[in-house]
Amino acid sequence: KAGVTQTPRYLIKTRGQQVTLSCSPISGHRSVSWYQQTPGQGLQFLFEYFSETQRNKGNFPGRFSGRQFSNSRSEMNVSTLELGDSALYLCASSRLGQGTEAFFGQGTRLTVV
Amino acid sequence: TQLLEQSPQFLSIQEGENLTVYCNSSSVFSSLQWYRQEPGEGPVLLVTVVTGGEVKKLKRLTFQFGDARKDSSLHITAAQPGDTGLYLCASYGNKLVFGAGTILRVKS
Repeated sequence: KAGVTQTPRYLIKTRGQQVTLSCSPISGHRSVSWYQQTPGQGLQFLFEYFSETQRNKGNFPGRFSGRQFSNSRSEMNVSTLELGDSALYLCASSRLGQGTEAFFGQGTRLTVV
Repeated sequence: TQLLEQSPQFLSIQEGENLTVYCNSSSVFSSLQWYRQEPGEGPVLLVTVVTGGEVKKLKRLTFQFGDARKDSSLHITAAQPGDTGLYLCASYGNKLVFGAGTILRVKS
């Protein structure tokens, strides 16, 4: 069974640009959650999508957005990048979301210069 | 939002030693999960504990959930270099909230 796939693995962007990250969940999983991981703040929840609907949102500015497609694949977008957006962005999929086992991808390492 | 405190922040030990890491909260956990994250990888779920006083064992790892469900510990017996990584506890409210983690380094 294929795991959670995130693309790209590494990305370098300039301040002010925008970026789109992709996550393909495990087959049959309908929930996809996104997290930002930095040395200073640790793992912070961005948002969760379930059956194409945003079910939960963390405390991030509106520059961070996401969506989920009918095949459960998800994308997150960050507009007007800031240096502080440099982080490891992790995606996790689970069958039903809250309380069920979450499987993480390897993450996308975003560096903003 | 529930806050999880993990201690210690960093632990460096020799192969064969035992260690314990802790996860505490000021409020009751509905359930608690422990993850391990290796460099360059995403976190991998080790165990979920739900019942106060619960003890679960996974080979050399022993997980304990406090009776009041406000604390948990992870004990590793005879640590090996392969145990090196970031150990995270996490709790579900309406979202998965993580502690800051304990970085474990096991030297051979």
